[in-house]
Amino acid sequence: KNQVEQSPQSLIILEGKNCTLQCNYTVSPFSNLRWYKQDTGRGPVSLTIMTFSENTKSNGRYTATLDADTKQSSLHITASQLSDSASYICVVSAMGNYQLIWGAGTKLIIKP
Amino acid sequence: NAGVTQTPKFRVLKTGQSMTLLCAQDMNHEYMYWYRQDPGMGLRLIHYSVGEGTTAKGEVPDGYNVSRLKKQNFLLGLESAAPSQTSVYFCASSYGGEKETQYFGPGTRLLVL
Repeated sequence: KNQVEQSPQSLIILEGKNCTLQCNYTVSPFSNLRWYKQDTGRGPVSLTIMTFSENTKSNGRYTATLDADTKQSSLHITASQLSDSASYICVVSAMGNYQLIWGAGTKLIIKP
Repeated sequence: NAGVTQTPKFRVLKTGQSMTLLCAQDMNHEYMYWYRQDPGMGLRLIHYSVGEGTTAKGEVPDGYNVSRLKKQNFLLGLESAAPSQTSVYFCASSYGGEKETQYFGPGTRLLVL
């Protein structure tokens, strides 16, 4: 069964600190992996999309990594800001399928 | 550009009532999607459309119908609302299919009593 699991479920860190969120997936055949940011009460916003051949992709202070062999991805946030408080969702696409498989998300809280 | 807009933002229904959620996009995207988001779960695809006049079932289509009469609009209908349909509904659109970024609307919060 195609699944996406994220850890931790929630995380609290101090402003200015770095953090790393994890994503494991069992989706086959793999097409691409995305990270979305969802602020409370709003729709998800895309951060990155990575295909099989891409190991790392950055978007400002956000850096996503992908290990297609172990089926793992991580999202690293550098020098966190209060505006980074949100849910971060890992999403995997299977080849030839319009349906994305969504993780339940990691709720990140940045404290001043 | 407004991007993806959804109406209404919030609605309360009684069991058995019907309603239509409207999604509009001004990015000339071919693909549109309806999702529901429930606490502790990932988004689940209800229905999607790959172009004007076409619709297809997603993961959880039961109890919902959709129509895509115009390219920019995607309507989600609930014919007879049930408490299990209490959720937040998101519409999204994309230029293409599986490799394209999906752009989301702000969501519609629906409460069925």
